[in-house]
Amino acid sequence: EVQLVESGGGLVQPEGSLRLSCAASGFTVSDKYMSWVRQPPGKGLEWVSVIYIGGHTYYADSVKGRFTISRDDSKNKLYLQMNSLRAEDTAVYYCVRGRFEESSFYFDYWGQGALVIVSS
Amino acid sequence: DIVMTQSPDSLAVSLGERAAINCKSSQSVVYSSNNKNYLAWYQQKPGQPPKLLIYWASTRESGVPDRFSGSGSGTDFTLTINSLQAEDVAVYYCQQYYNTPLTFGGGTKVEIK
Repeated sequence: EVQLVESGGGLVQPEGSLRLSCAASGFTVSDKYMSWVRQPPGKGLEWVSVIYIGGHTYYADSVKGRFTISRDDSKNKLYLQMNSLRAEDTAVYYCVRGRFEESSFYFDYWGQGALVIVSS
Repeated sequence: DIVMTQSPDSLAVSLGERAAINCKSSQSVVYSSNNKNYLAWYQQKPGQPPKLLIYWASTRESGVPDRFSGSGSGTDFTLTINSLQAEDVAVYYCQQYYNTPLTFGGGTKVEIK
């Protein structure tokens, strides 16, 4: 059974840092396109970042230069390092598995999410 | 970036009736090389993460009831829920995966009338 469990969320001050973790089970993270998608309270979904099977990474313009996606193949985990946090980064952050087909990917499994609140 | 626009923002439908949600992309999401529409639909129930319903605009994910169907091509798409059930109350999102950044529509809230 595929499971994704996020951890590391919490309250952080503006300009602070936080690292989210996502523990995967039922599949191998390094065999999939893994993403982070966020959802501000009461609002819609925003794709944040992806790490490809080969290790290439891509980011939304809103987080480029501040967030870093990575994975630890030995632990089967995905991470999101978030620096220089802003109030507008407040959201539930979902760890999401991508299903790769025809040169692209869509999201087939989602974690329960981790809430990040940026506030002084 | 491809902008995804959903309509309506919300709709109330009687149990057993049909619900239709529209999604329009700011540019075509069809690749001419394979004639596939890079469009997915997700369902998000209150307090839960989104769940994949439809991909390639009209292919139902395994385990999704057949009352859910997707249609459309190019820039205009529709998610139809036939014979609405109480458990279908949710927010529905379309999403393009034609290119990066992957983008979502703003969501459509479906309620029972």
